[in-house]
Amino acid sequence: GIQVEQSPPDLILQEGANSTLRCNFSDSVNNLQWFHQNPWGQLINLFYIPSGTKQNGRLSATTVATERYSLLYISSSQTTDSGVYFCAVEGGGTSYGKLTFGQGTILTVHP
Amino acid sequence: GAVVSQHPSWVICKSGTSVKIECRSLDFQATTMFWYRQFPKQSLMLMATSNEGSKATYEQGVEKDKFLINHASLTLSTLTVTSAHPEDSSFYICSAGQGKYSPLHFGNGTRLTVT
Repeated sequence: GIQVEQSPPDLILQEGANSTLRCNFSDSVNNLQWFHQNPWGQLINLFYIPSGTKQNGRLSATTVATERYSLLYISSSQTTDSGVYFCAVEGGGTSYGKLTFGQGTILTVHP
Repeated sequence: GAVVSQHPSWVICKSGTSVKIECRSLDFQATTMFWYRQFPKQSLMLMATSNEGSKATYEQGVEKDKFLINHASLTLSTLTVTSAHPEDSSFYICSAGQGKYSPLHFGNGTRLTVT
């Protein structure tokens, strides 16, 4: 099956700093989503981005499908950005909806 | 937007008992729903695909007799953990979407503790 690797595994920032999270995947994808998991376990859907670039406030994401990677940018980070960020993909040869998750990036933002 | 509701949020049960978790799509119909499991400090792993009106399909290594899935309507799937044991303690989360090339939406998850 498709492999998903996220980097870095851990990231510690001071409030106000910018950061880039990376997601590499091993095959073509029908779907790629970025999620933020908060301390209560809720998965917040940040972006649905199988290709191209999107922006939502301080967050933006870019997926270069031909090169099999996606980037999540967080600008002017806030303490509420802390948590685990997951990249999840649905492989091109996979049935609809079966997502493979990366191992996540644990982000800690200090005031 | 599409909303997936999951109930209960947390449950504590004794070893040997069964627990049922519900997953509902509130504002759309879902012929297919998905169940994931997440152990502490780990990623999410797909357990099974719930198919409305037919049998669920399970991922390799997931015991179908322990994790019973029923998808009796277009808006409700249930996961029953049968004869629960402490090693079944985990975070269970469901998802659903509105069709190919659309995002998957997740419920808020159920934290199961088996004592």
